Amino acid sequence: EAGVTQSPTHLIKTRGQQATLRCSPISGHTSVYWYQQALGLGLQFLLWYDEGEERNRGNFPPRFSGRQFPNYSSELNVNALELEDSALYLCASSKRVGFAGPFFGPGTRLTVL
Amino acid sequence: AQTVTQSQPEMSVQEAETVTLSCTYDTSENNYYLFWYKQPPSRQMILVIRQEAYKQQNATENRFSVNFQKAAKSFSLKISDSQLGDTAMYFCAFMKHAPSGGGADGLTFGKGTHLIIQP
Repeated sequence: EAGVTQSPTHLIKTRGQQATLRCSPISGHTSVYWYQQALGLGLQFLLWYDEGEERNRGNFPPRFSGRQFPNYSSELNVNALELEDSALYLCASSKRVGFAGPFFGPGTRLTVL
Repeated sequence: AQTVTQSQPEMSVQEAETVTLSCTYDTSENNYYLFWYKQPPSRQMILVIRQEAYKQQNATENRFSVNFQKAAKSFSLKISDSQLGDTAMYFCAFMKHAPSGGGADGLTFGKGTHLIIQP
C-alpha cells in the first residue's frame, strides 16, 4: 500500500508570490491534515479536510487556504508569501472506520527569499 | 483547547539500554487518542504507537510500549533494547475522537524530545 505522497519536495519562492503544495492520501483515507513545522516553532496545525469539506483550521491567517478534491487529494495554497512562511509543510491522512491514526507524507520544504 | 507537554528536550542513552520519554497532556475531552511519532533526520514523521483513551490496556508495538495513566493525564513511551536507528526527535501528540468516527481537528503536538542512542 502506497503511503502519503507530497509534491514538490522543495519549493523556492520570493516574498509576495503564491505557493501551491499538493498531497495525495493513502488509498481509502478520506481525511487530510496540513501542518507547518517551522524552525523553533514546532508543529502547528493548519487545516483539516474530510470528505471534501474544510472541517477545522488552526490559528493561521486567511492567506493560508486549501481544498480537497473528490479523490480526497488536497492542495495547500499560501498567498502573499512572507519570509516567516519558510518551513516544512507536512500532510497527513487518516480514515474513519478502522482509524489507526494520521500517517504523514515526507513533506514539502518551502523556502521564501 | 488541549496542551501537550514534553519536559525532556534531550536524552542520551547507550545502545541496548531501556529509555522512557515523558509526556503529560491537559484536556477536558473524555474520548481521545494519544500518539507517539518519531522524526529522524530525514524529517519523515513516523507513527510509532497509538493509544485510545477508553482502553485501559497499555499499547505495545515490539520494543515500544506506553504507560497510559488517564487520571494523571500522563502518557510515557518506553523503548526497550534501544538501537542506533532509534535516534530521532520523538513527539507526543493528542487528537480528539470524532463523533462520526476517527479523529477530529488535527493533532496537538508536544515540543519533542531529542533522543540520542550512543554506540
